[in-house]
Amino acid sequence: KQEVTQIPAALSVPEGENLVLNCSFTDSAIYNLQWFRQDPGKGLTSLLLIQSSQREQTSGRLNASLDKSSGRSTLYIAASQPGDSATYLCAVRGTGTASKLTFGTGTRLQVTL
Amino acid sequence: SAVISQKPSRDICQRGTSLTIQCQVDSQVTMMFWYRQQPGQSLTLIATANQGSEATYESGFVIDKFPISRPNLTFSTLTVSNMSPEDSSIYLCSGRVGGNEQFFGPGTRLTVL
Repeated sequence: KQEVTQIPAALSVPEGENLVLNCSFTDSAIYNLQWFRQDPGKGLTSLLLIQSSQREQTSGRLNASLDKSSGRSTLYIAASQPGDSATYLCAVRGTGTASKLTFGTGTRLQVTL
Repeated sequence: SAVISQKPSRDICQRGTSLTIQCQVDSQVTMMFWYRQQPGQSLTLIATANQGSEATYESGFVIDKFPISRPNLTFSTLTVSNMSPEDSSIYLCSGRVGGNEQFFGPGTRLTVL
């Protein structure tokens, strides 16, 4: 059974800092990995999708990497802003067309002025 | 990408009643899913909504409690039946596009008194 862990559970940084969020998973037989953002009381916003054959994806100030063999992904946020404050979730999808996403426990990020 | 809307956005219900949540996607998606997110927790998959046939439920979730319909490729409903306070959660609809990226609706915040 796939298990996904995110470290740290919570993080507070001053505005402008670069930061890294970590995601690890136990079963390396994945189809893809997705990073999401969730604001309090809201739904999930997809940030980045990395296919199992890819090493990284970039969107604006966000960069996600994937090391499938070691069961790890990182989300790098450059020049953090207060608007980046949210909970960040990673989710891995197993192989097979009907496979489901398994979510991590999330990292709650607070960017302070 | 896909834009997913849900109705209602929130509701307060009495114990023993039922609530039906509607999910509408702005484009055809290959798969639709229903998730539950209890306070302070990550997402748990309830079921996969199959077009024109019975939904596929995850362990711990049953059709009598969470009947699901999906009459076409862009619409699905989830009913929470015979509610108790333990059903108080955010319920999220999700759609998968082209077998890859998954998108989420804004969620329905349910409080059962």
